[in-house]
Amino acid sequence: AQSVTQLDSQVPVFEEAPVELRCNYSSSVSVYLFWYVQYPNQGLQLLLKYLSGSTLVKGINGFEAEFNKSQTSFHLRKPSVHISDTAEYFCAVNFGGGSNYKLTFGKGTLLTVNP
Amino acid sequence: GAVVSQHPSWVICKSGTSVKIECRSLDFQATTMFWYRQFPKQSLMLMATSNEGSKATYEQGVEKDKFLINHASLTLSTLTVTSAHPEDSSFYICSARRGNTGELFFGEGSRLTVL
Repeated sequence: AQSVTQLDSQVPVFEEAPVELRCNYSSSVSVYLFWYVQYPNQGLQLLLKYLSGSTLVKGINGFEAEFNKSQTSFHLRKPSVHISDTAEYFCAVNFGGGSNYKLTFGKGTLLTVNP
Repeated sequence: GAVVSQHPSWVICKSGTSVKIECRSLDFQATTMFWYRQFPKQSLMLMATSNEGSKATYEQGVEKDKFLINHASLTLSTLTVTSAHPEDSSFYICSARRGNTGELFFGEGSRLTVL
């Protein structure tokens, strides 16, 4: 079965600390991978995506993610977080890597950056 | 970047009334739009896929007569929640696919509260 798992529902960190938000998926087909950020009462903003090519993907706001096919993971990282990074982060997968553009979302991880 | 706008952002209605939510792609033509529902502190659940000029494709378990979707033009899709009940209260988010790149852009979301 195809699924997206974000293991951590909440991740509290201190400002300027590094952070990793984990995302694993289950699939027998090729995938496109995405990370989105959602601020309270707002829509989603794309942080980064992996479609093909280099497995290390850099996105906006200093975030990066690495696609690991053998571990079926796409973890999001930032070396030094800011208070403004406090938000909900969603991992999303397009199974089949293709034309339907349908996304399956993980349950989300609430990142809270404390001073 | 591409902009997708939803209106209204907040709506409160009485039980039994119908509510229409609009999703517009402001600076590109969207051949496909998607409607999601998000419960508090939960992930986005795809409700339906809307293609311009054709009937929407609903996900399993979504009542098509309850959630009417119309995609009359390449820049506008509407979701009408008919005979709304308190259990329909939720955050509804649309996304639009930009034709050439296939990238999805999300609206700001619309919060529906049914009294």
